[in-house]
Amino acid sequence: AQSVAQPEDQVNVAEGNPLTVKCTYSVSGNPYLFWYVQYPNRGLQFLLKYITGDNLVKGSYGFEAEFNKSQTSFHLKKPSALVSDSALYFCAVRDRNDYKLSFGAGTTVTVRA
Amino acid sequence: DAGVIQSPRHEVTEMGQEVTLRCKPISGHDYLFWYRQTMMRGLELLIYFNNNVPIDDSGMPEDRFSAKMPNASFSTLKIQPSEPRDSAVYFCASSSAGAYDEQFFGPGTRLTVL
Repeated sequence: AQSVAQPEDQVNVAEGNPLTVKCTYSVSGNPYLFWYVQYPNRGLQFLLKYITGDNLVKGSYGFEAEFNKSQTSFHLKKPSALVSDSALYFCAVRDRNDYKLSFGAGTTVTVRA
Repeated sequence: DAGVIQSPRHEVTEMGQEVTLRCKPISGHDYLFWYRQTMMRGLELLIYFNNNVPIDDSGMPEDRFSAKMPNASFSTLKIQPSEPRDSAVYFCASSSAGAYDEQFFGPGTRLTVL
């Protein structure tokens, strides 16, 4: 079985400050990890993924994520948040042998001006 | 590419009525996924297809739900009869056969069952 935990329902930061959204995962084999963002009344948009290789993954809109195998974490980060980053963020995991994605409950990010 | 297309965007129906949601995946994608999103349960995978064949329907809530993919460019999710607890946003997503490829989501259909 595979699962994802996003321990924070909400994250609030000031514009220009660093943004971190936490994610931990559980999977039987080697994980494929993903981050998606959802804006109001829209579908999910892909941000970045970790498959193998460098533990630091860079994605769209200045986001990056760090894979930590020992801590089974894949936290999303952005050095300087923008008001337009306010949205709902989902972490997802799948096992290499399965195309099913398991999503976390989501974290609502609010960036105040 | 137009991306994943879903219709209708909004559907309001009365309990007991049949509801059909439609999805057109991205051309060339081999996998198609149906998800349901609610406040209580988050994002749930209902069923997914590979090359038009259903692979895993373990997430389909009950027999009232059915999904088909008659060809590579079209899929339907049907609820018959509908119930108020089926109210949710239903997303369709597609991906290519590459092992690493991310899923691309449609805009969703917001279903309200009165």
